[in-house]
Amino acid sequence: DIQLTQSPSFLSASVGDRVTITCRASQGISTYLAWYQQKPGKAPNLLIYAASTLHSGVPSRFSGSGSGTEFTLTISSLQPEDFATYYCQQLNSLFSFGPGTKVDIK
Amino acid sequence: EVQLVESGGGFVRPGGSLRLSCAGSGFTFSTYNMNWVRQAPGKGLEWISYISYSGSTIYYADSVKGRFTISRDNARNSLYLQMNTLRAEDTAIYSCARADRYNYNNNWYFAFDIWGQGTMVTVSS
Repeated sequence: DIQLTQSPSFLSASVGDRVTITCRASQGISTYLAWYQQKPGKAPNLLIYAASTLHSGVPSRFSGSGSGTEFTLTISSLQPEDFATYYCQQLNSLFSFGPGTKVDIK
Repeated sequence: EVQLVESGGGFVRPGGSLRLSCAGSGFTFSTYNMNWVRQAPGKGLEWISYISYSGSTIYYADSVKGRFTISRDNARNSLYLQMNTLRAEDTAIYSCARADRYNYNNNWYFAFDIWGQGTMVTVSS
């Protein structure tokens, strides 16, 4: 089974900050990685697929990069609506999720 | 509007059974692969089962293999999860999620693009 880790688990940031979240896979997954945003009490929303491709309707301040075992999600300028928990997901071998990164207001 | 709506959750004793349903609307349900994902209270997302658009290919996470059965009825635009031998650790919100397929750089990629709001399952004595 492919395990995903995310760092940090929690980060506190201010509006306008640049935020980077890292996702690491226990073995190479090429670019079969997606990122999701989840707000409390809501279903997750797809942000990025294929490691770096922005899903339709997702603001351009979100970007993704990486391949193999290390990936990043970057929010270039944090907006109030971006405070949420972010999950990576590998889709190379079945579909496991990372443990999540909660982005909170500083 | 593209939508997934789950139902069938509730309270059950350990060892009991429940059957969850997920109704799809606003899209051609029969052409999409589908999944069940759960989220225990205060915890992260856990993928638990996948079924191909035709029902011919099915996968399970180890945590539910042998106890849960995924199925679908494309004529009714519905996805199901039969859960048997339930345990306290199965307590979670269960959501269905559509797996769409995207072509990028001449490769096909899946991602879960549409999610339901979920149905709560509580297993307790």
